Amino acid sequence: DAGVIQSPRHEVTEMGQEVTLRCKPISGHDYLFWYRQTMMRGLELLIYFNNNVPIDDSGMPEDRFSAKMPNASFSTLKIQPSEPRDSAVYFCASSARTEQYFGPGTRLTVT
Amino acid sequence: SQQGEEDPQALSIQEGENATMNCSYKTSINNLQWYRQNSGRGLVHLILIRSNEREKHSGRLRVTLDTSKKSSSLLITASRAADTASYFCATDHNAGNMLTFGGGTRLMVKP
Repeated sequence: DAGVIQSPRHEVTEMGQEVTLRCKPISGHDYLFWYRQTMMRGLELLIYFNNNVPIDDSGMPEDRFSAKMPNASFSTLKIQPSEPRDSAVYFCASSARTEQYFGPGTRLTVT
Repeated sequence: SQQGEEDPQALSIQEGENATMNCSYKTSINNLQWYRQNSGRGLVHLILIRSNEREKHSGRLRVTLDTSKKSSSLLITASRAADTASYFCATDHNAGNMLTFGGGTRLMVKP
């Protein structure tokens, strides 16, 4: 298995632009998680899905953030408009039982 | 909010020495997991210990769990330079496969 796949790996954008991060979970996993990691705040859970349905989005910082999972093999995290404070590494993880499998992350820089 | 709190935040040892990291949490758990993160990479699951277990081994890793003290420790024996990474504990509070991650311990093993 290829593991969790995220794209792009790096994204540099200007303040105010829309950013879309993509994730392909491991086949057969029915849970998908989006995290954000910064030095200041550590690893934060933004939102997670079960069977493509959002279960808990209480970690989404603002309405500028949205996430979708149109099918079992694809999810997106969108930031519109982006701000410099959104700069972080964004991880997607999937699980079938309790252990989570993380993707390599997307390093987002908003200038 | 982060429930797992690791101690120490940073640890530097010589190759061959043992490394011990501790984790404390606040509310009852279903299980506790340890993850490793190499610089610039996603987290990798190392070991899981269930609430009814007290100790678990995997290769050079030994995990203990004391539910009365709400704490866990991860011991890496005979450390190697390749063990240099950040180590995170994550608690499962039986909330839909959601995990709560601590702030991590940065381990440096000097050759």
